[in-house]
Amino acid sequence: GQQLNQSPQSMFIQEGEDVSMNCTSSSIFNTWLWYKQEPGEGPVLLIALYKAGELTSNGRLTAQFGITRKDSFLNISASIPSDVGIYFCAGQLRAGNNRKLIWGLGTSLAVNP
Amino acid sequence: DAGITQSPRHKVTETGTPVTLRCHQTENHRYMYWYRQDPGHGLRLIHYSYGVKDTDKGEVSDGYSVSRSKTEDFLLTLESATSSQTSVYFCAISGDRGPNYGYTFGSGTRLTVV
Repeated sequence: GQQLNQSPQSMFIQEGEDVSMNCTSSSIFNTWLWYKQEPGEGPVLLIALYKAGELTSNGRLTAQFGITRKDSFLNISASIPSDVGIYFCAGQLRAGNNRKLIWGLGTSLAVNP
Repeated sequence: DAGITQSPRHKVTETGTPVTLRCHQTENHRYMYWYRQDPGHGLRLIHYSYGVKDTDKGEVSDGYSVSRSKTEDFLLTLESATSSQTSVYFCAISGDRGPNYGYTFGSGTRLTVV
């Protein structure tokens, strides 16, 4: 099945550092979503983006919907140990009854206190 | 924050047996989904529903069936479990627009087929 290109695959950083990750696609999306998954739990929605160029923040997290509608970025500022987890991007191609999302394979984040 | 619950959380079953996983929501959302998550493959859609008795296949639907007889319940059945179906299964729900648009996931069911 189709997947997004999400990078980096993994990151190991020091507490306090900023983090950047991104997703790219050959397809144009109407919606971009960013999720975080912790061990033993389902993914939790962090940020939803609905318009090209949109920049949205959620605390120390900031995400952007790329102008071309083919990419999105997630930044985490001043990382802390509880930021550890796997971050997934997801994009939606069409509206209507088809609400299927296309997923990236995730960025695994480790934070060294 | 309940809103979506999956049962059971863990299950071990034998090859060839049927297995049913349940997803229950209290949000009255229209859309419900079943995913499986495996290392190296990320999240893959099995089936989804866009209303009571309205379902459609995802990318990995072979060997699975679903039913949705009520808005709040979405059942996933493995007709004859195989070892390749050992996985973590997630149910998700989504609404029509606004803050309910993004998927909300359950906590998952870890299924082992021996």
